Amino acid sequence: RKEVEQDPGPFNVPEGATVAFNCTYSNSASQSFFWYRQDCRKEPKLLMSVYSSGNEDGRFTAQLNRASQYISLLIRDSKLSDSATYLCVVITGGGNKLTFGTGTQLKVEL
Amino acid sequence: DAGITQSPRHKVTETGTPVTLRCHQTENHRYMYWYRQDPGHGLRLIHYSYGVKDTDKGEVSDGYSVSRSKTEDFLLTLESATSSQTSVYFCAISKTTSGPGETQYFGPGTRLLVL
Repeated sequence: RKEVEQDPGPFNVPEGATVAFNCTYSNSASQSFFWYRQDCRKEPKLLMSVYSSGNEDGRFTAQLNRASQYISLLIRDSKLSDSATYLCVVITGGGNKLTFGTGTQLKVEL
Repeated sequence: DAGITQSPRHKVTETGTPVTLRCHQTENHRYMYWYRQDPGHGLRLIHYSYGVKDTDKGEVSDGYSVSRSKTEDFLLTLESATSSQTSVYFCAISKTTSGPGETQYFGPGTRLLVL
């Protein structure tokens, strides 16, 4: 089993739709979680951290479920510009090990 | 923008030749990293550095070496390139002094093709 798993997609959604991605992790001792966004042929960029209580940044909401060991990203009112690959990142080992998921591809269409 | 540049941005080389990739940062951050990204795999850590002349191996370090003689530069060398090292290589920094497990900022990447 991979340490961090994501559905690769693609998720094809119309503009204005709400879409959600999950990311599961295997190490129950994982301590920090992030979502990164990666545009085609570009570098990954931090989208948002994921806090235990859940957090929101505009149209984006991130949540953590420690009991079931997954994090989620919800995007409301999808825009064409949201089309990208979304990577989840899990930190373990006292903060010394970052593990990246393989990413979920989102395509927002007219 | 974390002030990270990578050179070259694209390179084609032949099997068995040595290749050096350069990562340069302008903000004097302590921690620097080299990753590779391949289809079907997440970003995988090759080596990282926690200061000048202080480096350590990552998950996929075989066939790679690194050097950091100045804070701003972190070099990745493929001693004898193989086709399995065809990949996109990203350099990253973390804006922290307490440890590597913080938000990371990535350079634009180097696309390497080994024929």
